[in-house]
Amino acid sequence: SQQGEEDPQALSIQEGENATMNCSYKTSINNLQWYRQNSGRGLVHLILIRSNEREKHSGRLRVTLDTSKKSSSLLITASRAADTASYFCATFPRDDYKLSFGAGTTVTVRA
Amino acid sequence: EADIYQTPRYLVIGTGKKITLECSQTMGHDKMYWYQQDPGMELHLIHYSYGVNSTEKGDLSSESTVSRIRTEHFPLTLESARPSHTSQYLCASSAQENQPQHFGDGTRLSIL
Repeated sequence: SQQGEEDPQALSIQEGENATMNCSYKTSINNLQWYRQNSGRGLVHLILIRSNEREKHSGRLRVTLDTSKKSSSLLITASRAADTASYFCATFPRDDYKLSFGAGTTVTVRA
Repeated sequence: EADIYQTPRYLVIGTGKKITLECSQTMGHDKMYWYQQDPGMELHLIHYSYGVNSTEKGDLSSESTVSRIRTEHFPLTLESARPSHTSQYLCASSAQENQPQHFGDGTRLSIL
């Protein structure tokens, strides 16, 4: 069952701009993970944030987690054409042992 | 990139054929997964395995079957393919259930 829902469904930005996408989920989680999927390829793991963490950084990526609102955000700073991809959040619930993926946000970075 | 391989990448085949999608990983991961993904949609877990001789059905009902005779190999089989099986199938593995999953590049399956 789909636990996470991303917003917006699609995002188009100019190269150099920041891109922000959000993920909301329904039940308590152990951790939340963000993945990237380039067209025609598999998913690549970007960042994992645990339920007791509020913010994590990896290069140009910044992830926040607000467990009280059951939401997370992924910020890509200074976007590049190579960032064009679909981005998925995935939640690992406390009461289950299976990762649940949202429908993703499609990001297009225009040169 | 992670060492997980899927073959074939693309398959177009007629209705009624038996199909096996291959998935192999060289990381020694115990946990392996099969997902089905339609274009622009979320991933649906159809099978998973926690180790050799362990297989479970996922959240999305599927007519496919899987086996796990070796740690590194997790093939998916469709005994009699139908047009409704047309989709992309992604294989993944992880060291533990709550840790990041490593994905193959998928098999895009079209049943005529």
